[in-house]
Amino acid sequence: AQSVTQLDSQVPVFEEAPVELRCNYSSSVSVYLFWYVQYPNQGLQLLLKYLSGSTLVKGINGFEAEFNKSQTSFHLRKPSVHISDTAEYFCAVRTLLYSGGGADGLTFGKGTHLIIQP
Amino acid sequence: KAGVTQTPRYLIKTRGQQVTLSCSPISGHRSVSWYQQTPGQGLQFLFEYFSETQRNKGNFPGRFSGRQFSNSRSEMNVSTLELGDSALYLCASSLVLTGDEQFFGPGTRLTVL
Repeated sequence: AQSVTQLDSQVPVFEEAPVELRCNYSSSVSVYLFWYVQYPNQGLQLLLKYLSGSTLVKGINGFEAEFNKSQTSFHLRKPSVHISDTAEYFCAVRTLLYSGGGADGLTFGKGTHLIIQP
Repeated sequence: KAGVTQTPRYLIKTRGQQVTLSCSPISGHRSVSWYQQTPGQGLQFLFEYFSETQRNKGNFPGRFSGRQFSNSRSEMNVSTLELGDSALYLCASSLVLTGDEQFFGPGTRLTVL
């Protein structure tokens, strides 16, 4: 079974500073990787995803992530954060069940609360 | 195009009762997944339906069940509610079973007293 570890439960950052939210996963088979954001009292919104190909993935709102297979990591970065980025960020993995198609449900990390300080 | 809708948004029940939550996927989406979100356990996968059949199931007791209708709308049912079932229940839809992107609804907040 796969698992996802988000190393930081909370990350405080000053506005306009860069940020990196860390995510490591464990899986013995091919995976899809995702970052979702959740604003208070809302559902989840997809920031970006890695399926295959280029290991650097660009998403919405200026976020990007890099897939590192050897380190089984998928860290999320943004060069300059804004107050509006304050939210909970979730890393998730979906394991391909078999070569013919089909995938397991999303396995999420515990989340990282990004706090933007003015 | 309308997003994923979930009804009701808020629900209060007492222990021992049962509850049914509803989810309408994005038009054209055929796969619906359900997740439970709690402060202690985080986000956990419940089950996934595609073409009215349960295709994947998470590690939850049999009190949690679901179904999908021919129009792809889905319901989940929790019987004999326990205090620990208090959570935000999220529904997500995708185009196909192996759809890489799941679109989430706003959730149903269930409180069990």
